[in-house]
Amino acid sequence: VQLVESGGGFVKPGGSLRLSCAASGFPFSDYYMSWIRQAPGKGLEWVSYIGTSDSHTAYAASVKGRFTISRDNTKKSLYLQMNSLRVEDTAIYYCARETVDWGQGTLVIVSS
Amino acid sequence: DIVMTQTPVSLSVTPGQPASISCNSSQSLVRNDGKTFLYWYLQKSGQAPKLLIYEVSHRFSGVPNRFSGSGSGAEFTLKISRVEAEDVGVYYCMQSIQPPLTFGGGTKVEI
Repeated sequence: VQLVESGGGFVKPGGSLRLSCAASGFPFSDYYMSWIRQAPGKGLEWVSYIGTSDSHTAYAASVKGRFTISRDNTKKSLYLQMNSLRVEDTAIYYCARETVDWGQGTLVIVSS
Repeated sequence: DIVMTQTPVSLSVTPGQPASISCNSSQSLVRNDGKTFLYWYLQKSGQAPKLLIYEVSHRFSGVPNRFSGSGSGAEFTLKISRVEAEDVGVYYCMQSIQPPLTFGGGTKVEI
């Protein structure tokens, strides 16, 4: 199983970023996928998950209405569209296969 | 939301000695079919978390048998029978019975 996140970077408050996660080594379309984040020096916070298709999604209250999770099973990829970013969204964002296998993460910094 | 409470916050251990971490949830993690959605992870410095235990007591592939999980309902324990130097890091419990999935605050294990 390999999960490789990308798309992180530096953005100003109110800005947007789109994170991607490229999956390999398992039948991607058969698994729920999650995004989980970790603010610098802090614990783990679940952000969102998506079922095997786009029809079943769930979000943490802290991101609901601002973030959108999606997937492309033909490309074996997971996405997180992040809008209206806040300073408190600064974190390493991990994608995970059903919270079992995790990628190495991509860092998002929101700062003016 | 289900609150996960881990104790202790930090733990200093001697190699070869046992260690134990507790995790309590604010409500039962048992689903109607009897499965219990409690997981344990270890995050070593600078790395992503890695799954140790799933569904309370099942060791994940490749996890040494010195790690064991136990508990039921809303009270759970992770035990290390004989701590090794490579076991240092932060341990987290997590529930996935219902969204939002929630994690304990973590237990930092040091030698």
